[in-house]
Amino acid sequence: GAVVSQHPSRVICKSGTSVKIECRSLDFQATTMFWYRQFPKQSLMLMATSNEGSKATYEQGVEKDKFLINHASLTLSTLTVTSAHPEDSSFYICSARLGANQPQHFGDGTRLSIL
Amino acid sequence: GENVEQHPSTLSVQEGDSAVIKCTYSDSASNYFPWYKQELGKRPQLIIDIRSNVGEKKDQRIAVTLNKTAKHFSLHITETQPEDSAVYFCAASNAGGYSTLTFGKGTMLLVSP
Repeated sequence: GAVVSQHPSRVICKSGTSVKIECRSLDFQATTMFWYRQFPKQSLMLMATSNEGSKATYEQGVEKDKFLINHASLTLSTLTVTSAHPEDSSFYICSARLGANQPQHFGDGTRLSIL
Repeated sequence: GENVEQHPSTLSVQEGDSAVIKCTYSDSASNYFPWYKQELGKRPQLIIDIRSNVGEKKDQRIAVTLNKTAKHFSLHITETQPEDSAVYFCAASNAGGYSTLTFGKGTMLLVSP
């Protein structure tokens, strides 16, 4: 149980393109999902907390107009990187949890490369 | 906010030896402490977690200890195997509401055959 699916796994695109990443909880309903960014050989840095039916909560320094988050249902959250540039290249990982006092389960991640 | 320090950053052991990774946290309100294992290019996987109402938890070769007074917790792996080689992350959170995890910087564990 507690399977989280993330798509796509790899994206290579030109500078200026917008990229959408999907995160789905397959066998449970997740009122809260999280989006992280991970640079090579570094830790996971929380970008935002995605709450079903309400606006996402962004961490300090994360541009909300750059990284659009939509959590339209209890099983799907999307992250859209708008007008992506080479510095946005990174490994993006989502996670979801069953409840406030429950473990987070991670998706497989999306490796984004902006040329 | 919470700050989690993790040591060491790298750890090399021989197969069969034990490995210990230590973390400290700053927020005394934190009460949930998971450990994740991440292999190269893959998702972090939860391997064990502990809540502040217990001091130790064990699952086969893996154990976690928590000292609330000192605000530190440790991961212990016994009888290490080459497949234990990965990056291990500790994390802390104050469970409740939309609580978030704060991760340590990770420990790269290398188990040599």
